[in-house]
Amino acid sequence: DAGVIQSPRHEVTEMGQEVTLRCKPISGHNSLFWYRQTMMRGLELLIYFNNNVPIDDSGMPEDRFSAKMPNASFSTLKIQPSEPRDSAVYFCASSLPRTALYGYTFGSGTRLTVV
Amino acid sequence: AQSVSQHNHHVILSEAASLELGCNYSYGGTVNLFWYVQYPGQHLQLLLKYFSGDPLVKGIKGFEAEFIKSKFSFNLRKPSVQWSDTAEYFCAVRDPTRGGSQGNLIFGKGTKLSVKP
Repeated sequence: DAGVIQSPRHEVTEMGQEVTLRCKPISGHNSLFWYRQTMMRGLELLIYFNNNVPIDDSGMPEDRFSAKMPNASFSTLKIQPSEPRDSAVYFCASSLPRTALYGYTFGSGTRLTVV
Repeated sequence: AQSVSQHNHHVILSEAASLELGCNYSYGGTVNLFWYVQYPGQHLQLLLKYFSGDPLVKGIKGFEAEFIKSKFSFNLRKPSVQWSDTAEYFCAVRDPTRGGSQGNLIFGKGTKLSVKP
């Protein structure tokens, strides 16, 4: 199994531009999570999908952020327009149905720099 | 909601020293607890987890953690660290108030471990 695949690995963009981050979860995992990691705030849960449906998006910082999961094998996190304070590493993780027993499998992350 | 505290921001040890990283959580009910490790430039990997049974949990690479319910703690330990253990360590707890019956993992802010050769 290739694990959770994220793309791109690095993204540098100018303030105001749209950024799209992509994630392919492990096949058979029905839960998908987007986290943001910064020095100041650590790992923050942004949004959580179960069976492709957004369940909890209370962590999404503002309306500039949106996430979709059109099918079981693909999810996107979009920032429009991007701002320098969005610079962070964005991790996608997926899980089997029983999160408590299995924990999550994380992707390698996308390092986003907004200049 | 559940919260996780890791009190040590950065720990510096020499090789062969013993390690204990603190983790405290806030929720008093049934808990599921995890330790993840993030090596420099890499993604988070699961070290060990507790969900029931023996409160002393053994994980990979010689790590172990002890769940002490009365102290709301799940400290990570290793008797003798190696230079290759240099990484950031995250404690996590399942928060049953977020994400329905499955809950979501809430992470502490992490503890950076630097091991001097």
